Amino acid sequence: DAKTTQPNSMESNEEEPVHLPCNHSTISGTDYIHWYRQLPSQGPEYVIHGLTSNVNNRMASLAIAEDRKSSTLILHRATLRDAAVYYCILRAANAGGTSYGKLTFGQGTILTVHP
Amino acid sequence: NAGVTQTPKFRILKIGQSMTLQCAQDMNHNYMYWYRQDPGMGLKLIYYSVGAGITDKGEVPNGYNVSRSTTEDFPLRLELAAPSQTSVYFCASNVGRVNTEAFFGQGTRLTVV
Repeated sequence: DAKTTQPNSMESNEEEPVHLPCNHSTISGTDYIHWYRQLPSQGPEYVIHGLTSNVNNRMASLAIAEDRKSSTLILHRATLRDAAVYYCILRAANAGGTSYGKLTFGQGTILTVHP
Repeated sequence: NAGVTQTPKFRILKIGQSMTLQCAQDMNHNYMYWYRQDPGMGLKLIYYSVGAGITDKGEVPNGYNVSRSTTEDFPLRLELAAPSQTSVYFCASNVGRVNTEAFFGQGTRLTVV
């Protein structure tokens, strides 16, 4: 599986935007970029995913570099509830377009949000 | 819609005891997974299943067994519990396509003393 690199930790102030970076220089053409987050004492939850184009949903935006070797998760206005560990994960598709769906977790980025 | 349900939420085992962690999902997902998470670390895959009757090892399978007799249930069995198995265990499921999200349970916190 292609590897991702994230900063160990980041800090933000409440109601300010947060940009969480992820490097994935060995990404292959069929790898999807997924982001999950894990709130304290909870299971991971899905945030967003994308392949080539930037993506927006109600939780966040995902900006993908043109060469796909990096991506950035954008939280537009951080709240205290956004304090969590954020994981950037690559999911590879096999030739059939399906995968075993395995998510390989790294250390993630610990996001601290200050009031 | 309950999603992924894990039981129990907490358990303390003595060394050498056995137990089964239960996981059930009501989304008709074929793919199910067991992960463990040690303090301050990311999740590591123990076992996974791509459908009833089909299971395979993940990254850290030693000391665990699984079975998948139905689509809904994917129990994880610990035989001869050891202190190294003290961890938080998460079950997850998805439809298996690479562009879909996975759903996680709330976890089982296991302590082996």
